[in-house]
Amino acid sequence: SAVISQKPSRDICQRGTSLTIQCQVDSQVTMMFWYRQQPGQSLTLIATANQGSEATYESGFVIDKFPISRPNLTFSTLTVSNMSPEDSSIYLCSVERVETQYFGPGTRLLVL
Amino acid sequence: AQSVSQHNHHVILSEAASLELGCNYSYGGTVNLFWYVQYPGQHLQLLLKYFSGDPLVKGIKGFEAEFIKSKFSFNLRKPSVQWSDTAEYFCAVILPRGNTPLVFGKGTRLSVIA
Repeated sequence: SAVISQKPSRDICQRGTSLTIQCQVDSQVTMMFWYRQQPGQSLTLIATANQGSEATYESGFVIDKFPISRPNLTFSTLTVSNMSPEDSSIYLCSVERVETQYFGPGTRLLVL
Repeated sequence: AQSVSQHNHHVILSEAASLELGCNYSYGGTVNLFWYVQYPGQHLQLLLKYFSGDPLVKGIKGFEAEFIKSKFSFNLRKPSVQWSDTAEYFCAVILPRGNTPLVFGKGTRLSVIA
């Protein structure tokens, strides 16, 4: 399995501002993923972050809105930029080990 | 594109009742299958997974799932639920070693009442 931590665990933000979410893993992983879970919905993949290369974004998600950094094999950040109330969600970091994805505790974001 | 269907949005059971949650996927080739659970206020945890071999897989906390290839199904079962099984359950599918994302179903909320 994997031990994943995220910061912050929750935040309330004003529209138009940006929030950076951090994800830390207990040991090195090649692939890290960022998901969004909107209220009452399932998980949707935002992007895949591999160390040393640009993140790969899924349809409907763009780098300007969700810039991602992956400076090393145990850490990644996701920024939610120019937030609107529609960005209110839980944002989850995930890593893959032996073809299985494990998830962090999530960051609960409320945009007012 | 792959998709995953979970037919039950909300299931309410009494303690000791048997549980079966449906999951169907839409991909004709080989897939890896997962069930995740999200307890209230907690993060997503892996319940069980199927890659190959015995189609009946056992997971944590007495859960099991059966892969039926002909029906494109991977239903989750537990013979006797407990109040502590109250949670959201997600089925997920991915192509093995493929450059495709893990695809989740919409989830089934299970409420177990005393």
